[in-house]
Amino acid sequence: TQLLEQSPQFLSIQEGENLTVYCNSSSVFSSLQWYRQEPGEGPVLLVTVVTGGEVKKLKRLTFQFGDARKDSSLHITAAQPGDTGLYLCAGEKAGGTSYGKLTFGQGTILTVHP
Amino acid sequence: GAGVSQSPSNKVTEKGKDVELRCDPISGHTALYWYRQSLGQGLEFLIYFQGNSAPDKSGLPSDRFSAERTGGSVSTLTIQRTQQEDSAVYLCASSPQGLAYNEQFFGPGTRLTVL
Repeated sequence: TQLLEQSPQFLSIQEGENLTVYCNSSSVFSSLQWYRQEPGEGPVLLVTVVTGGEVKKLKRLTFQFGDARKDSSLHITAAQPGDTGLYLCAGEKAGGTSYGKLTFGQGTILTVHP
Repeated sequence: GAGVSQSPSNKVTEKGKDVELRCDPISGHTALYWYRQSLGQGLEFLIYFQGNSAPDKSGLPSDRFSAERTGGSVSTLTIQRTQQEDSAVYLCASSPQGLAYNEQFFGPGTRLTVL
């Protein structure tokens, strides 16, 4: 059973469209991160959210942490081909005994066509 | 400054052979992580080193997998008697303090192929 469920697994859209990626769990997380990964490289951190209900914006990207800290979403406005990549959510389970240990979702492969 | 480096970038081996994968973390980072990633998938946690504390080995899939970190810096992940299902990209990451909300800085990975 996947602790963090990401959806959709694949997303293929045209330039200029909007999209949302979801990261859901039945567990509570003390913090949640979103990473973006390009082929042949390691993931790069986009944002960290730590407070229930928190919303963070990074240019055309909007990140939201659910009120109960069990879910998160990433919304991209007016997607561009440069947004293409693998998007990963990762969280530290609340009440865990191994601080710093992250659990990753299975990822969303986004392709934005010009 | 230099980021996390990993070597080799690619490794092809035969089933049953042992392999060693190396990670050089960012200087001064006390936390070091190893993950495994199958093609286009999420990351599977393997092992976590934090300073001088005992490592969290809870993600190692079998006793064929082991890792060490010498002098609080360089780490080596060893896979003994490799199997075809071990084929994946092995990613290393380091972090300044090992807190979950700290950014983990990833290396480019080692792509392991077991024939």
